[in-house]
Amino acid sequence: GIQVEQSPPDLILQEGANSTLRCNFSDSVNNLQWFHQNPWGQLINLFYIPSGTKQNGRLSATTVATERYSLLYISSSQTTDSGVYFCAVEREDSSYKLIFGSGTRLLVRP
Amino acid sequence: GAVVSQHPSWVICKSGTSVKIECRSLDFQATTMFWYRQFPKQSLMLMATSNEGSKATYEQGVEKDKFLINHASLTLSTLTVTSAHPEDSSFYICSAQEFGGGTYEQYFGPGTRLTVT
Repeated sequence: GIQVEQSPPDLILQEGANSTLRCNFSDSVNNLQWFHQNPWGQLINLFYIPSGTKQNGRLSATTVATERYSLLYISSSQTTDSGVYFCAVEREDSSYKLIFGSGTRLLVRP
Repeated sequence: GAVVSQHPSWVICKSGTSVKIECRSLDFQATTMFWYRQFPKQSLMLMATSNEGSKATYEQGVEKDKFLINHASLTLSTLTVTSAHPEDSSFYICSAQEFGGGTYEQYFGPGTRLTVT
């Protein structure tokens, strides 16, 4: 099956710092989504981004489908950004099923 | 934005009993919902796909007789953990798929924490 790898696995930032999270996938995909799981377990949709670049406030994402990777940028990080960031992909031949990466655990210190 | 609810948010049950978890899409209709399981500090693992009006499809290794799924309407799917055992203790999360404008995002419920004693 498709492999989804995220890096780094853990990241500690000082408030105000910028960061880049990476998601590599091993096969062509129809869909790619980025999520933030908060400390209570809720997954929050960040981006639906099978290709191209999107921005939402301090967050932006870029997916280069031909090279099979996606990047999530967090600028001017805040303590509320802490949590786990997941990317999830849907294979081209799959019925909308999302395969999750292992996540990047982010801690932003005040 | 699309909102998905789950009930209950946490449940403790005794070994051998059954537990039902509800997943509802509150402001959109979902012909397809998904059930995931997440162990502490691990990623989400897809358990099954729930389709309105038809049988659920289960991922390899998931016991369909243990995890009963019913998608009775376009806004409600239920997961029943039958004859629960301590190893079934986990965080169960549902998602619902919204179609619109050529995209089909999955939106997630807040999860249900199950503890089997």
